[in-house]
Amino acid sequence: EVQLVESGGGLVQPGGSLRLSCAASGFTFSSYEMNWVRQPPGEGLEWVSYISSSGSSIYYADSVKGRFTISRDNAKNSLYLQMNSLRAEDTAVYYCARDDGDSNDVWGQGTLVTVSS
Amino acid sequence: SSELTQDPAVSVALGQTVRITCQGDSLRNYYATWYQQKPGQAPVVVIYGKNSRPSGIPDRFSGSSSGNTASLTITGAQAEDEADYYCNSRDSSGTYLGVFGGGTKLTVL
Repeated sequence: EVQLVESGGGLVQPGGSLRLSCAASGFTFSSYEMNWVRQPPGEGLEWVSYISSSGSSIYYADSVKGRFTISRDNAKNSLYLQMNSLRAEDTAVYYCARDDGDSNDVWGQGTLVTVSS
Repeated sequence: SSELTQDPAVSVALGQTVRITCQGDSLRNYYATWYQQKPGQAPVVVIYGKNSRPSGIPDRFSGSSSGNTASLTITGAQAEDEADYYCNSRDSSGTYLGVFGGGTKLTVL
């Protein structure tokens, strides 16, 4: 079964850091580009970051540029999002999603990040 | 980056046809992907490419595009179609699916 499972969310104080992980299974992870997408409570979807299949090409939304770092370990079938200098407006459910060339066709269940003092 | 604009809310009577639209410059060059999201769940693709449906998506869902506008049509809406719908397209370079619409909440009356 093709599956993505996020972990690492939780409560963190403003200015703090958190590292999210996304474990992939059921497909050849190293062949796919990946995205992180977030959704603040009660709001819409917001793209956060993209990484190419090899990890050589990376992009970020302006709202997280300079604070978040996306990475992947193809040997471990895992995607990561290192989040530093967290702000209240970063509070959201964070999803990892597989880009199959046409769409983000597979999504994880999401992990909630709450930034609050 | 660019923006995609959707109506915040749309309603449809049970069994009738409804169209949800998405406008943005990127749609002149790239197809929109449409996602359905129900409360507490991750988004699910309902339409991608020119007008393709993933396995398991009912054929009452269809997509079209003209100029800078993409549309999702549900022909014969069912109660289970009540959900939020998001359009998604590539950025101006075409590299990543980095643009989302604000979402449309569909109510089935």
